[in-house]
Amino acid sequence: QVQLQESGPGLVNPSQTLSLTCTVSGGSISSGGFYWNWIRQLPGKGLEWIGYIYYNGITSYNSSLKSRLFVSLDTSKNQFFLTLSSVTAADTAFYYCARRGYLSRYFDYWGQGALVTVSS
Amino acid sequence: QSALTQPASVSGSPGQTIIISCTGTSRDVGGYSYVSWYQHHPGKAPKLIIYDVTYRPSGVSNRFSGSKSGNTASLTISGLQADDEADYYCSSFTTGGTVPYVFGTGTSVTVV
Repeated sequence: QVQLQESGPGLVNPSQTLSLTCTVSGGSISSGGFYWNWIRQLPGKGLEWIGYIYYNGITSYNSSLKSRLFVSLDTSKNQFFLTLSSVTAADTAFYYCARRGYLSRYFDYWGQGALVTVSS
Repeated sequence: QSALTQPASVSGSPGQTIIISCTGTSRDVGGYSYVSWYQHHPGKAPKLIIYDVTYRPSGVSNRFSGSKSGNTASLTISGLQADDEADYYCSSFTTGGTVPYVFGTGTSVTVV
């Protein structure tokens, strides 16, 4: 059974950088065949796709966040990462990591989510 | 892109059937057979319950079914059970915008 788990600071100061880790178990990121995604839920709003990374390092980002966003991975640790710079209160959200199959158009496994609050 | 529109809440009694709608545009729901639905119990990982409009992943109850007509997709939950009380989100592949996937606004299902 594939499992994903987000981890990282729950509080970030405005203008600083938000960093989250997604640890994958029950499957290897390096085996290919899947896109590893970040998705967030803003307070009182729906979900927003942030971006993905493939095992070979290829990424795709939400155009509205692209200038502040960086997604990376460490296949030796079976982890992938989210870095969002110059955060504001508008970036306060639950952040989820999720898996999507290479040929599929849905997210089959998700993490439980991590709440990140941007506040001084 | 705008989020897909869902009713904020739907309620039903045990055993009843409820339907949750998900309305988009021809650039997402109406243009592709790539609508998926997720069940989310707060504090837990969202769970995929329907993909590609009508398909159920292995292990998902057949009480959940999906359909689509034009720009509106629907999730039907039949034989409503207490454990169905959760938030439900639709999603669709999309083109022409800033993201390849859009999500619904979410529907809170209450079993009364």
